[in-house]
Amino acid sequence: DTGVSQDPRHKITKRGQNVTFRCDPISEHNRLYWYRQTLGQGPEFLTYFQNEAQLEKSRLLSDRFSAERPKGSFSTLEIQRTEQGDSAMYLCASSTGLADKTGELFFGEGSRLTVL
Amino acid sequence: AQSVAQPEDQVNVAEGNPLTVKCTYSVSGNPYLFWYVQYPNRGLQFLLKYITGDNLVKGSYGFEAEFNKSQTSFHLKKPSALVSDSALYFCAVREKGYSSASKIIFGSGTRLSIRP
Repeated sequence: DTGVSQDPRHKITKRGQNVTFRCDPISEHNRLYWYRQTLGQGPEFLTYFQNEAQLEKSRLLSDRFSAERPKGSFSTLEIQRTEQGDSAMYLCASSTGLADKTGELFFGEGSRLTVL
Repeated sequence: AQSVAQPEDQVNVAEGNPLTVKCTYSVSGNPYLFWYVQYPNRGLQFLLKYITGDNLVKGSYGFEAEFNKSQTSFHLKKPSALVSDSALYFCAVREKGYSSASKIIFGSGTRLSIRP
């Protein structure tokens, strides 16, 4: 399967712990996005990368959140000192520059975080 | 500010009947409009887009959507529903002029249930 893959698919953690999610985009896609989706809501933009450069961060991305894409391929999203309000599905999407302009994003299946 | 509304949390249709999933939007300028579908345990999949031109756009799996500028709507339609169409559908909007998918706003989703 050459689609977007995310790991782990599910993570249960205790409040205050750190968690890290990984996203492997489609190999030829230079843009990578992170979204958060809570129950009954659509995806909300968190941050995006063009190659290894992080070009934009949402106000939703508090200082406990950090994302990296060190070699312009896979990306990680780390949440430090997790809070119960962080419980959500974290989605990764990738695209080419052209497809990005027209909104054609390719999503992974998501990483579901539950903070107890 | 941009916004998108999906007024129905759930739509129930009998197999073989036509279906409509409603979407209205608000942008300052001209819109790019999108529909995405999320099947159970699958990532969001791009279904179709309106960029410019013909108000009726066709997408994957026999779906189409009609752009109505005066009513600021972009309803998703299919002439004959299949049980396999049962999924969560998201409408999304972005104002023209932006070059990044980070500016795409997703609706809250409509769950489509097709009964045999």
